[in-house]
Amino acid sequence: GQNIDQPTEMTATEGAIVQINCTYQTSGFNGLFWYQQHAGEAPTFLSYNVLDGLEEKGRFSSFLSRSKGYSYLLLKELQMKDSASYLCAVRDGDYKLSFGAGTTVTVRA
Amino acid sequence: IAGITQAPTSQILAAGRRMTLRCTQDMRHNAMYWYRQDLGLGLRLIHYSNTAGTTGKGEVPDGYSVSRANTDDFPLTLASAVPSQTSVYFCASSDSNTDEQFFGPGTRLTVL
Repeated sequence: GQNIDQPTEMTATEGAIVQINCTYQTSGFNGLFWYQQHAGEAPTFLSYNVLDGLEEKGRFSSFLSRSKGYSYLLLKELQMKDSASYLCAVRDGDYKLSFGAGTTVTVRA
Repeated sequence: IAGITQAPTSQILAAGRRMTLRCTQDMRHNAMYWYRQDLGLGLRLIHYSNTAGTTGKGEVPDGYSVSRANTDDFPLTLASAVPSQTSVYFCASSDSNTDEQFFGPGTRLTVL
């Protein structure tokens, strides 16, 4: 099976920066995704990395190192609406997605 | 409004009963997926379909079956529900198996 690890919970202050790490061991690699999921809602797509490096999209950035099996999602200028669960997902050699258990981020005023 | 719909929104079911969860998308996506989401375990793939007429097994297929008679619909059937199938079920679709997946609103199923 696949092994995808991310922290269970993180707390940060409004306006701050938070970095969510994800490490993975999978059978083959065809890209890494980050999804956001608010409580009681469906996951929504945030970012995709397939090559090493940083992808920036507004306040959110995602980094990938394939040799280290490592990614992070960086959330800048945190807002209360960013309180959610963030899911790391790896697409394996068969093009199927395996998800981590998710990191619940709580933003405090 | 384009997207994915799931029905029912929630359901309480007696063990041993048969249940079909419905999923319909109007984005003409080729690939569709069924996941279950359990606390502490994240999303796990049950079954998938890369194109109409084909299906495949995911990580946790036992006790579930699917069909893909056309592009838009991908129903998930529990032939004889058991309490361990209590979960939130998400249907998703993507243009191909190399694209991002779009998720439906989910079905919360409780098997007693």
